[in-house]
Amino acid sequence: NAGVTQTPKFQVLKTGQSMTLQCAQDMNHNSMYWYRQDPGMGLRLIYYSASEGTTDKGEVPNGYNVSRLNKREFSLRLESAAPSQTSVYFCASSDRTTTGELFFGEGSRLTVL
Amino acid sequence: QKEVEQNSGPLSVPEGAIASLNCTYSDRGSQSFFWYRQYSGKSPELIMSIYSNGDKEDGRFTAQLNKASQYVSLLIRDSQPSDSATYLCAVTRYDYKLSFGAGTTVTVRA
Repeated sequence: NAGVTQTPKFQVLKTGQSMTLQCAQDMNHNSMYWYRQDPGMGLRLIYYSASEGTTDKGEVPNGYNVSRLNKREFSLRLESAAPSQTSVYFCASSDRTTTGELFFGEGSRLTVL
Repeated sequence: QKEVEQNSGPLSVPEGAIASLNCTYSDRGSQSFFWYRQYSGKSPELIMSIYSNGDKEDGRFTAQLNKASQYVSLLIRDSQPSDSATYLCAVTRYDYKLSFGAGTTVTVRA
C-alpha cells in the first residue's frame, strides 16, 4: 500500500521549459489536490479535483494546468516555467472534499533557473 | 490579514517539557480544525483533528479549540526529541478547502 506517489522527486528546469508532475493514489479516494509550499507561506492550494472528471482552481492556479486522468491519477503541468514557480509541490488525496484529513505524497522539489 | 496565523517560532523546549503551539483564524464560520506534523524534508501528516469547543486528547497531544476567540492550540506533553518538527495548523474555509498556517518549528533539546 503505497498511499500517494509523486514523480519526479527533484527537477531542475530552465525558464520557459514545460514539465508535468505525476501523482497517483491507491486509497480509492475521490478527491485529489496539488499544493505548493514556500518558506514562510505555508501550503497553498493550486488546483483540486473533487471527483473523477472534475477539476477546480485553488488559491494560486496561474501558470498551472491539471488533468484528472482517472480516479487514481492527477497530474500538474507547468506550460512555461518561471523562477517564481520554484517550490516544493505536494499532491494529496482525501475521501471527499469536505474533510480536512488529507494524505500527502512525498513532495516534488522543483527549481526553475 | 492571513486566514490562519501561527506563532512563528522557532520554539525550543527541553525534553520532558510541554510545548504549546497557538493558532488563530479569521473565518468565524470555520468548523473543522487540524494539526499536521511535518518533519524536515518530509510531507505533512495529520496528527490531530478537532471539531467542537474544548479539549481533545490523543496520547501526549492535546488540541484545544475556542471558536468564540477563533483560537486553536496544540499541547505536546512530555516532549521527546522525536517531536522536533514543524507543526501546521489547518482550518476549513467556507468552501471546505483547507487553509494552512505557515507553521511553527519545534525543537526538543535532549
